[in-house]
Amino acid sequence: KAGVTQTPRYLIKTRGQQVTLSCSPISGHRSVSWYQQTPGQGLQFLFEYFSETQRNKGNFPGRFSGRQFSNSRSEMNVSTLELGDSALYLCASSLDSGVLYNSPLHFGNGTRLTVT
Amino acid sequence: AQTVTQSQPEMSVQEAETVTLSCTYDTSENNYYLFWYKQPPSRQMILVIRQEAYKQQNATENRFSVNFQKAAKSFSLKISDSQLGDTAMYFCAFMKHANYGQNFVFGPGTRLSVLP
Repeated sequence: KAGVTQTPRYLIKTRGQQVTLSCSPISGHRSVSWYQQTPGQGLQFLFEYFSETQRNKGNFPGRFSGRQFSNSRSEMNVSTLELGDSALYLCASSLDSGVLYNSPLHFGNGTRLTVT
Repeated sequence: AQTVTQSQPEMSVQEAETVTLSCTYDTSENNYYLFWYKQPPSRQMILVIRQEAYKQQNATENRFSVNFQKAAKSFSLKISDSQLGDTAMYFCAFMKHANYGQNFVFGPGTRLSVLP
């Protein structure tokens, strides 16, 4: 079974631009969540999607948004990039968050975003 | 809000020795789940072990075991017979039980180096 696939692996953008990151979950997984990882703040939850609906959201500004498609693939968008948005963005999928114990998070390799 | 603390930013252990990583958490929830994830240099987060709060028996996965002390809100990870491939960042994570939605809270991580 293919794992969680994130594209691209690396991205360099300048301040003020916008960026879209993509995540393809493990086949059959309907929950997709996004995390931002930085050396200073560690891993922080951005949001979670389930069946094309955002179900949970972390404490990030509205510049961070996402969506999920009918095939469970998800995209995350960051508009008006700031230097502080430089981070590793991790996507994770799980089978069904209604059965939590049997639905651990499976992570992708992440997208390393650098904002200059 | 839940918080997860890992008081050891860095640790090292000799190959074949045993090491224990500490994790404490703060929550008012009664039903929740605890996890240990490792992140090797390849960046992919990998689930190591998980524990349900209502289970008194400590979880074990091969060389990995936990010491779960619910009253003390402590969840330490013991790695026996350490191997070079265990070198990674280790994150303790908390997830409260919910009918829906994923919202993990991660600790800041412990960087473990296994020395030959």
